[in-house]
Amino acid sequence: GAVVSQHPSRVICKSGTSVKIECRSLDFQATTMFWYRQFPKQSLMLMATSNEGSKATYEQGVEKDKFLINHASLTLSTLTVTSAHPEDSSFYICSASASSGGAYNEQFFGPGTRLTVL
Amino acid sequence: AQSVTQLGSHVSVSEGALVLLRCNYSSSVPPYLFWYVQYPNQGLQLLLKYTTGATLVKGINGFEAEFKKSETSFHLTKPSAHMSDAAEYFCAVSWKGGNKLVFGAGTILRVKS
Repeated sequence: GAVVSQHPSRVICKSGTSVKIECRSLDFQATTMFWYRQFPKQSLMLMATSNEGSKATYEQGVEKDKFLINHASLTLSTLTVTSAHPEDSSFYICSASASSGGAYNEQFFGPGTRLTVL
Repeated sequence: AQSVTQLGSHVSVSEGALVLLRCNYSSSVPPYLFWYVQYPNQGLQLLLKYTTGATLVKGINGFEAEFKKSETSFHLTKPSAHMSDAAEYFCAVSWKGGNKLVFGAGTILRVKS
């Protein structure tokens, strides 16, 4: 099956610093990548959708200047949390899908990145 | 707007007993329905999905779910629980022409020996 990786799996940073998380599709070309955030004991909330070569579409309430998303190639998307604060501590999960021409393009999920901001 | 409701944030069953995790959805268009499993500190693994065709869908690890349009439900079942089934399960909905997934709040399944 399709494999999606994330790096790093875990990161601890100081308040005010920026953190970059990578999401890679290892064996397919991902035309669309999604970024989710999951707080403890809660469900996944979609943050943004990005298509290769274009600007990301952010969900309501997600600050685009704080969560910078780049999808520069068909196998890589990055999420940069700028000026991180403790309230940004969360589990960040990406997913990737390839355009199949069908009615639905399945999303394949990465293993997640645990961000802790001190 | 599409939404998903999972009844019961925690479900506890004995090993060997039936597993039933409930999911109801609301969708203004014909839905695509999914069940995912998440183990601690890991991403999501697809258990099964319904897009079109047969309403009884079989997935991995012995799980199955039935799409019931009249009840707007997509409950997940497994005849006999195994200790390794202990995890959190998420129901999700998408729709034809859309590529977003809307998740339910999740149900934590505990399996007692």
